[in-house]
Amino acid sequence: DSGVTQTPKHLITATGQRVTLRCSPRSGDLSVYWYQQSLDQGLQFLIQYYNGEERAKGNILERFSAQQFPDLHSELNLSSLELGDSALYFCASSRGSGGGADTQYFGPGTRLTVL
Amino acid sequence: GENVEQHPSTLSVQEGDSAVIKCTYSDSASNYFPWYKQELGKRPQLIIDIRSNVGEKKDQRIAVTLNKTAKHFSLHITETQPEDSAVYFCAASIRGGYSTLTFGKGTMLLVSP
Repeated sequence: DSGVTQTPKHLITATGQRVTLRCSPRSGDLSVYWYQQSLDQGLQFLIQYYNGEERAKGNILERFSAQQFPDLHSELNLSSLELGDSALYFCASSRGSGGGADTQYFGPGTRLTVL
Repeated sequence: GENVEQHPSTLSVQEGDSAVIKCTYSDSASNYFPWYKQELGKRPQLIIDIRSNVGEKKDQRIAVTLNKTAKHFSLHITETQPEDSAVYFCAASIRGGYSTLTFGKGTMLLVSP
């Protein structure tokens, strides 16, 4: 157990819908990262937040947005869902703001299925 | 941006054999190289990492080597066991600043008893 929690574990929804994924970082970690993992694309970095502020952005679609709250938990919002958005979404957390070189600990993931 | 290539995509070995997975990176400024192991349906877990000021690091049956000149790094697993079967991901990043981890596409390692 890495100490990073994610809810829900599974999510099944229809095209065009909107969903929210939630992540709580390890105690003391200030950074939260979101990744999308699909079979053909591996682990794709979406976005990083550090202490409530957006820190780095990766291949995140405009239909997707995220935020980090004062208690440091983070939410990833996915809207106008398409079949291709079906994937595992991982959250990771790290102690500081050092981006990639700060050891990242992954949560158990949310499996999103869009029908 | 950084690009990480990982080979092979699948690797099958017999129990007790050694396994080697290789990655190359494109950005010469990268200086942090972690390896993650992901079992089926589970989270990626950090198994070892190396920073650019060292050329090799070992942890029991696992070792990582780094060649900065050639811009490649490798994961070595000795005396493989069936429980080593998983997908292994390499990654690269630049320490500090706004750098993020760029992952390779993964290697599925199958260890047969």
